[in-house]
Amino acid sequence: DGGITQSPKYLFRKEGQNVTLSCEQNLNHDAMYWYRQDPGQGLRLIYYSQIVNDFQKGDIAEGYSVSREKKESFPLTVTSAQKNPTAFYLCASSMVSLDQPQHFGDGTRLSIL
Amino acid sequence: GQNIDQPTEMTATEGAIVQINCTYQTSGFNGLFWYQQHAGEAPTFLSYNVLDGLEEKGRFSSFLSRSKGYSYLLLKELQMKDSASYLCAFRNTGGFKTIFGAGTRLFVKA
Repeated sequence: DGGITQSPKYLFRKEGQNVTLSCEQNLNHDAMYWYRQDPGQGLRLIYYSQIVNDFQKGDIAEGYSVSREKKESFPLTVTSAQKNPTAFYLCASSMVSLDQPQHFGDGTRLSIL
Repeated sequence: GQNIDQPTEMTATEGAIVQINCTYQTSGFNGLFWYQQHAGEAPTFLSYNVLDGLEEKGRFSSFLSRSKGYSYLLLKELQMKDSASYLCAFRNTGGFKTIFGAGTRLFVKA
């Protein structure tokens, strides 16, 4: 079955540490996205990519980095510059057509040790 | 600017009908989505409207008025499993950014 796989499900970060969240999709979608969700708030866009080797900053990109070397993969690195990283991170993908919905992974919950 | 508003919480009774409203403001509009999200899980797509009017899909219907910047999601014959957050989101012109509302938490009681 096609879908989006995020790993790990839970992740803990120490002070000064960079951590990378994995996102892989086998839906053959060109567009991929990373969102952050905090309690009581909507999804906020961190980065998105419409094609391999190209990506754009979203609304809250500071302290995060991404790469898009393969169509199937869009890893997110939470750097030590992100001072409040505790959140639920969701990866999504979609076809490159404005009427197509996004398909989401099951999320990674990141906490500070 | 861009803004999207929906009520924080609603409570309804099993078997009843509930309407969840969403208002939005944007300079460019390319369609409105509704997603369902159970606690701790991924959002799942429910409906898409780009033209004014009502779209019906089984127990769920979604309505859009572009001139009023208004949409609603109608859930009929409520079931306990419908207890979830419902996210309203619009896609603006010029790209693939989708702006999400904070979500409406729906509690269905017996």
